[in-house]
Amino acid sequence: AQKVTQAQTEISVVEKEDVTLDCVYETRDTTYYLFWYKQPPSGELVFLIRRNSFDEQNEISGRYSWNFQKSTSSFNFTITASQVVDSAVYFCALSHAGGTSYGKLTFGQGTILTVHP
Amino acid sequence: KAGVTQTPRYLIKTRGQQVTLSCSPISGHRSVSWYQQTPGQGLQFLFEYFSETQRNKGNFPGRFSGRQFSNSRSEMNVSTLELGDSALYLCASSPGQINEQFFGPGTRLTVL
Repeated sequence: AQKVTQAQTEISVVEKEDVTLDCVYETRDTTYYLFWYKQPPSGELVFLIRRNSFDEQNEISGRYSWNFQKSTSSFNFTITASQVVDSAVYFCALSHAGGTSYGKLTFGQGTILTVHP
Repeated sequence: KAGVTQTPRYLIKTRGQQVTLSCSPISGHRSVSWYQQTPGQGLQFLFEYFSETQRNKGNFPGRFSGRQFSNSRSEMNVSTLELGDSALYLCASSPGQINEQFFGPGTRLTVL
């Protein structure tokens, strides 16, 4: 069975603070894919990043960075120097290839991030 | 490229009625997935279509059904609506099996 856990329900920070969103996943498969999505108040889920299970290279993209560690089944997301526009719900998701996994993302419960000016 | 579009954006129905939601994927994307989002259950997978075939289905009752047309547009239908069906229904398209999914703005369904 697949499971994604985002232990932080809500995080509140002041602008320019760094913030890390935690994600822990469970899967029996050796090949899987991890994602982060952002859902602003408008409701549309916005894709941020995808990571393959065989690629543990961490990535930095502007103010965003991701830390993927297979040993701890974690895929954490950090926003550096947060801004008010970063306020949204952030979802971590997991998928597999083929079989009963076609087109299916398993999402965590989401973390509500509020950045105060 | 235009993004995923969903119509209608908002819908109000009463219990017992049925509803049809529409989704147009990004041009060239053949996979369309549907999700239900509620405050209590979060984001849950409904089903996925690829080349007019349902390849995967989530754990929802048979009242929830869908189909995909030859142009990859997809519809989902909910019959005999219940109060608990009130939710944001999100459609996502993808070019392939292991690619990221791109979501539409959703249809917010309210059942009274």
